[in-house]
Amino acid sequence: GENVEQHPSTLSVQEGDSAVIKCTYSDSASNYFPWYKQELGKGPQLIIDIRSNVGEKKDQRIAVTLNKTAKHFSLHITETQPEDSAVYFCAASKSGGSYIPTFGRGTSLIVHP
Amino acid sequence: GAGVSQTPSNKVTEKGKYVELRCDPISGHTALYWYRQSLGQGPEFLIYFQGTGAADDSGLPNDRFFAVRPEGSVSTLKIQRTERGDSAVYLCASSLGYEQFFGPGTRLTVL
Repeated sequence: GENVEQHPSTLSVQEGDSAVIKCTYSDSASNYFPWYKQELGKGPQLIIDIRSNVGEKKDQRIAVTLNKTAKHFSLHITETQPEDSAVYFCAASKSGGSYIPTFGRGTSLIVHP
Repeated sequence: GAGVSQTPSNKVTEKGKYVELRCDPISGHTALYWYRQSLGQGPEFLIYFQGTGAADDSGLPNDRFFAVRPEGSVSTLKIQRTERGDSAVYLCASSLGYEQFFGPGTRLTVL
């Protein structure tokens, strides 16, 4: 089955700095890679996703890159704000009807004002 | 519109008891997923419904776990003979396509 590794487990930055979270996956058939933000006491919320036919996607301060050859993908947050503090999860899944994701273990991002 | 809701938000039970956890998906979403999230971990897939039928239940850990979705909307996750190791947050998500919308979860504590 799919295995997703996520690093770092904790990331502490100053407000305004950039933050980068990296993930690797094992199943070359995976073709959909969502990123979720989870705040305390809430369910994960999709913040950005990328499909295997593109290498990069950007949405305001958030960008995701995908390297299919190396089987790794990364989340980049620029100009971090205290409200970006949360746990971030990467995931990998395959098309075919279900899109059942395998999640990484999460990165706790702390943005200091 | 309303998001995914889950009830109860917290459930404390004793070892060996039976529990039911409820999920109300977003209206019109045909796909429904159950996950289990332990502390410091990502969500772990349990079961996936497409309409009323369980299309993939490969994530259910054993036969003490069962889920139903009789009318294709609300779903109930049932756990028999609960064990302390079942303690976790149980998340439900619904979708129409790629994007899954998660509920806030039910925190289950087995004493």
